[in-house]
Amino acid sequence: GAVVSQHPSWVICKSGTSVKIECRSLDFQATTMFWYRQFPKQSLMLMATSNEGSKATYEQGVEKDKFLINHASLTLSTLTVTSAHPEDSSFYICSARSRQGVIYGYTFGSGTRLTVV
Amino acid sequence: AQSVTQLDSQVPVFEEAPVELRCNYSSSVSVYLFWYVQYPNQGLQLLLKYLSGSTLVESINGFEAEFNKSQTSFHLRKPSVHISDTAEYFCAVLQGGKLIFGQGTELSVKP
Repeated sequence: GAVVSQHPSWVICKSGTSVKIECRSLDFQATTMFWYRQFPKQSLMLMATSNEGSKATYEQGVEKDKFLINHASLTLSTLTVTSAHPEDSSFYICSARSRQGVIYGYTFGSGTRLTVV
Repeated sequence: AQSVTQLDSQVPVFEEAPVELRCNYSSSVSVYLFWYVQYPNQGLQLLLKYLSGSTLVESINGFEAEFNKSQTSFHLRKPSVHISDTAEYFCAVLQGGKLIFGQGTELSVKP
């Protein structure tokens, strides 16, 4: 079945530094990738949608200059948290959709636990 | 805009008992509905989905959900739960190509 690899699974960084999270579709082409943020004991909040080769579309209230998303190929999307602060600490999850779209569902990565100290 | 509401934030249940996790959606158009499960510190795994056709959908691990248009519901059920079913369960609806999630229900199975 479809597999999405996300790494790192956890990362600790100092305040003010940047962190890059990668999301790869291993056995299918992900025409669209989604990035979510999840706070403890809460639901997933969609941050942005990216289509291969085009700029990401951010949800209302998400700072596009802080959360840089790149989707340069059909198998790789990255989320870079720039100038991280403790309030950016969260669980970030990516999701990928193939051209077949909803028929095969949306496949999720295993998530990245970001802690900013 | 479409949305989903999960009515129970926590559902404690004893092992081998039946369970129902409730999900209601709001939509006046055709809907695609999903149930996902999340184990601690992991991503989401698809349990089952309703796209069209039979209103009763089943997963490989004994869960089932029934699409009820008149009640705008898509409740998840299992006749006999195991300790290993302890996890967070999310109902989701597809809107504009994006998955919109409910608040989640924490299923806690006790021995």
